[in-house]
Amino acid sequence: AQSVTQPDIHITVSEGASLELRCNYSYGATPYLFWYVQSPGQGLQLLLKYFSGDTLVQGIKGFEAEFKRSQSSFNLRKPSVHWSDAAEYFCAVGAKGAQKLVFGQGTRLTINP
Amino acid sequence: ETGVTQTPRHLVMGMTNKKSLKCEQHLGHNAMYWYKQSAKKPLELMFVYNFKEQTENNSVPSRFSPECPNSSHLFLHLHTLQPEDSALYLCASSQERTGQSEAFFGQGTRLTVV
Repeated sequence: AQSVTQPDIHITVSEGASLELRCNYSYGATPYLFWYVQSPGQGLQLLLKYFSGDTLVQGIKGFEAEFKRSQSSFNLRKPSVHWSDAAEYFCAVGAKGAQKLVFGQGTRLTINP
Repeated sequence: ETGVTQTPRHLVMGMTNKKSLKCEQHLGHNAMYWYKQSAKKPLELMFVYNFKEQTENNSVPSRFSPECPNSSHLFLHLHTLQPEDSALYLCASSQERTGQSEAFFGQGTRLTVV
């Protein structure tokens, strides 16, 4: 069965600092991996996705993620955060793309001015 | 209008009421989904529809009844709900071809059962 673990429930960083959000997955085959962001009271917006190929994936809003098969990880990074990045971030794994998405519990990101 | 639209955005209902949530996607997708997002729990997939046919029911209680009249519209009919059903209900859609698909989400309906 698929599962996703986001070890950090809440992270606080200063504006301008770098960010890394952790995601570990469990899945028997090559997974399809996603990062979504949710602002308060809003739905989920796709930041980036990995299906195959280059293991370093670029997304929107300056985010990137790296797929590391040996570590079963898909960590999200941003070199310099902005106050508008404060939100909740969800990692997801899909055996068949969008058809069977399993989400992590989310990491809430707070930005200090 | 573009994307995935959900109405209403907020709903308060009593345990004996019957109400419906509506979702409409303007993306030309062929698959639609209902998710439940409760506090302190991961998003839970409830139902999947492909080409208007239900292909997944993730052990959802019968007090939740989905309906997909066409590929653009999805409803969730609610009756005799419990307070623990209070949550954010999210609709999503995707274009299924090779399995390498991504889900596009609506803004959700915040449901409170009193």
